[in-house]
Amino acid sequence: DGGITQSPKYLFRKEGQNVTLSCEQNLNHDAMYWYRQDPGQGLRLIYYSQIVNDFQKGDIAEGYSVSREKKESFPLTVTSAQKNPTAFYLCASTKTQAYNSPLHFGNGTRLTVT
Amino acid sequence: GIQVEQSPPDLILQEGANSTLRCNFSDSVNNLQWFHQNPWGQLINLFYIPSGTKQNGRLSATTVATERYSLLYISSSQTTDSGVYFCAVEEETSGSRLTFGEGTQLTVNP
Repeated sequence: DGGITQSPKYLFRKEGQNVTLSCEQNLNHDAMYWYRQDPGQGLRLIYYSQIVNDFQKGDIAEGYSVSREKKESFPLTVTSAQKNPTAFYLCASTKTQAYNSPLHFGNGTRLTVT
Repeated sequence: GIQVEQSPPDLILQEGANSTLRCNFSDSVNNLQWFHQNPWGQLINLFYIPSGTKQNGRLSATTVATERYSLLYISSSQTTDSGVYFCAVEEETSGSRLTFGEGTQLTVNP
């Protein structure tokens, strides 16, 4: 079955450590996205990529970094510069240049930094 | 950037009741989608509806792009409909990035 796989589901880190969240899709989608969700709030865009080897900052990119070396993969690194990294992180993907192409989400990674 | 406002923020229903959720947006959009987030955090796409009306079982959605709003109708609600409903829009100038509203928290009681 096609889908988006995020791993791990839960992640615990000490303050000051960088951590990388994995996102893999086998939907042959062109565009991939990272969103952050805090309790009781909506989703905020961190980074997105419409094509391999290219990505753009979203609304809250500070303290995060990404890479897009393969079409299927879009890992997110939460660096020690991110002031409040504890949150629920969601990866999504969609086809571009296609009408009626909905956004699909992975099941998310809950990151706790203490 | 574009502003997306959803109402009501919270809604409590008895099983079997109908409801209407609203999404207002501040600028022209290429794309509007509705999502349901279940209590475990999973987000499911309900509708891709930049304009017009669509129906899927007990759910239907209408977007009036010229008036900058969309409505999500839930009929004969069930406890499994509980969760948060999000509206997300793609601004015409944004280049395929979606901006989400704050959501409507729906609780359906048995």
